Amino acid sequence: GALVYQYPRRTICKSGTSMRMECQAVGFQATSVAWYRQSPQKTFELIALSTVNSAIKYEQNFTQEKFPISHPNLSFSSMTVLNAYLEDRGLYLCGARDQGLSYEQYFGPGTRLTVL
Amino acid sequence: GDSVTQTEGLVTLTKGLPVMLNCTYQTTYSPFLFWYVQHLNEAPKLLLKSSTDNKRTEHQGFYATLHKSSSSFHLQKSSVQLSDSALYFCALSHSGYNKLTFGKGTVLLVSP
Repeated sequence: GALVYQYPRRTICKSGTSMRMECQAVGFQATSVAWYRQSPQKTFELIALSTVNSAIKYEQNFTQEKFPISHPNLSFSSMTVLNAYLEDRGLYLCGARDQGLSYEQYFGPGTRLTVL
Repeated sequence: GDSVTQTEGLVTLTKGLPVMLNCTYQTTYSPFLFWYVQHLNEAPKLLLKSSTDNKRTEHQGFYATLHKSSSSFHLQKSSVQLSDSALYFCALSHSGYNKLTFGKGTVLLVSP
């Protein structure tokens, strides 16, 4: 079956520092990877959408300078939160799908970021 | 742009009672609707999906019917269980577009 792994599951960083999180797709080709943030008391906000062989598209209020993303192959993506501050805390979810097969996105368990 | 509106906040029910969580959407494209369930400290998991008008889809006792005429995809279950306590999200996508637009989520709390 299709699975998505994310690591680390939890991380704590000091305000102003950066942290990198990874997303691994197993059992399918992740031609499209979406990174979301679920902040406390909020729904999922799309940060950016990465499609193989296309430019990464960032949503309003999110920038490449703050959340650089790498999607080097059909099974892996990473995102870094640069200069993290309190408002960046939350659960970061990776949603991946094979565009050629299904509109269903498979989600990883998320990386929970705490900023001190 | 796309938007999803669902029953907000907390829905509390006693075990064995029926439940309906509302979901309506707005899009100018042909819609794909999803219900995701998220248990505490877990990732959201797909519960139901549909892109076919007026066809009921079912999974794990939950069911929903996409009605394009009313732009709705309400989630229902005839008899809730304690294990159904979770956060439920309605989400929208459309043909050719990879992005999911989520509603704000509904917490379902089932008591004994």
